[in-house]
Amino acid sequence: DIQMTQSPSTLSASAGDRVTITCRASQSIRSWLAWYQQKPGKAPKLLIYKASSLESGVPSRFSGSGSGTEFTLTISCLQPDDFGTYYCQQYNSYSSITFGQGTRLEIK
Amino acid sequence: EVQLVESGGGLVQPGGSLRLSCAASGFTFSSYWMSWVRQAPGKGLEWVANIKQDESEKYYADSVKGRFTISRDNAKNSLYLQMNSLRAEDTAVYYCARLHATNAFDIWGQGTTVTVSS
Repeated sequence: DIQMTQSPSTLSASAGDRVTITCRASQSIRSWLAWYQQKPGKAPKLLIYKASSLESGVPSRFSGSGSGTEFTLTISCLQPDDFGTYYCQQYNSYSSITFGQGTRLEIK
Repeated sequence: EVQLVESGGGLVQPGGSLRLSCAASGFTFSSYWMSWVRQAPGKGLEWVANIKQDESEKYYADSVKGRFTISRDNAKNSLYLQMNSLRAEDTAVYYCARLHATNAFDIWGQGTTVTVSS
């Protein structure tokens, strides 16, 4: 199985900061990577698909990059509503889908 | 409005069974792969199972293989998860999700809680 490792596990930042979360795959997944935001008690929300494509309705301050085994999610100008836990997810095949362990983002 | 609504969760004893349902609306259900994803209390997301549009392909995480069965009824716009031989470690919120052609889960239900405990 492909393992996904996110870093950091926890992040504390202030409104207006630029924030980056990294996700590493144990083997190449080309560009089959998505990013989600989850708030407490809610379902995850898709932010980025195919490593760098912004989901419709998601603010442009969110961006994704990378391919192969290393990927990043960047929030260019952190807003108070951006708190929550962020997950990466890889697709290698229909029988091999895994998520990273999550990065909890706290707003100072 | 595009929507997924899960039901069927509850408290069940170890070794017991439960059937989850997911009602889809607002999109052509029969055109999409569908999935179940779960989240144990305080933990991360875990993919559970996928099913192709015509049920010809089904895939499971190793942790549930042989115990869980995913199915669908396109006429009823519904997805199901039959869970047998339940264990304490199956305790989680179970989400129904649409697997888009971009291989990302673009639509999620609100989740249904399954608790396995004596």
